[in-house]
Amino acid sequence: GQNIDQPTEMTATEGAIVQINCTYQTSGFNGLFWYQQHAGEAPTFLSYNVLDGLEEKGRFSSFLSRSKGYSYLLLKELQMKDSASYLCAVRDGTGGSYIPTFGRGTSLIVHP
Amino acid sequence: GAGVSQSPSNKVTEKGKDVELRCDPISGHTALYWYRQRLGQGLEFLIYFQGNSAPDKSGLPSDRFSAERTGESVSTLTIQRTQQEDSAVYLCASSASRADTIYFGEGSWLTVV
Repeated sequence: GQNIDQPTEMTATEGAIVQINCTYQTSGFNGLFWYQQHAGEAPTFLSYNVLDGLEEKGRFSSFLSRSKGYSYLLLKELQMKDSASYLCAVRDGTGGSYIPTFGRGTSLIVHP
Repeated sequence: GAGVSQSPSNKVTEKGKDVELRCDPISGHTALYWYRQRLGQGLEFLIYFQGNSAPDKSGLPSDRFSAERTGESVSTLTIQRTQQEDSAVYLCASSASRADTIYFGEGSWLTVV
């Protein structure tokens, strides 16, 4: 299985930049996902990394280092609506499973 | 359909009753997943269907839980003799294949009283 760690809670100021880290341990890495989940809603897809490097998509970027078992989600120009839980999920292809395992999520609070 | 569709959106049931939750995946998606999320907790894997292969049931918490899928379309998650600890949101997700991005439905919020 996987061991996925991410901070429980982070706070940041509107307009600022925040980086949410995720570390993982897995034997058959096959991709890492970031999802955003607002309270009472389903997770929505943000990004997917399978190769090392930075993927940029508007105000959100995601980075992956497979050798270090490390990823981060970078949110720029923070807005109040970015207050949500951010979920890191790792897919392991060992044994043909390919089932993503989710971390417990990082609750981000954006204040004025 | 355009997205993953789940029903019912909300369900309140008495302890001991059976419930059925339905998931209609994105058209053409061969992989379908069920997860459970208790209040304030992370997503807990329940069961996974991939095409015509035998489902991966390794996440089902007890024999009160079962799921079926008709071909590559609708799936039903059944919880028998519900208990209060079954109260949670049950999330269904699908992907085009096992190696693609997974997309979630809005979830079925189950409350057992």
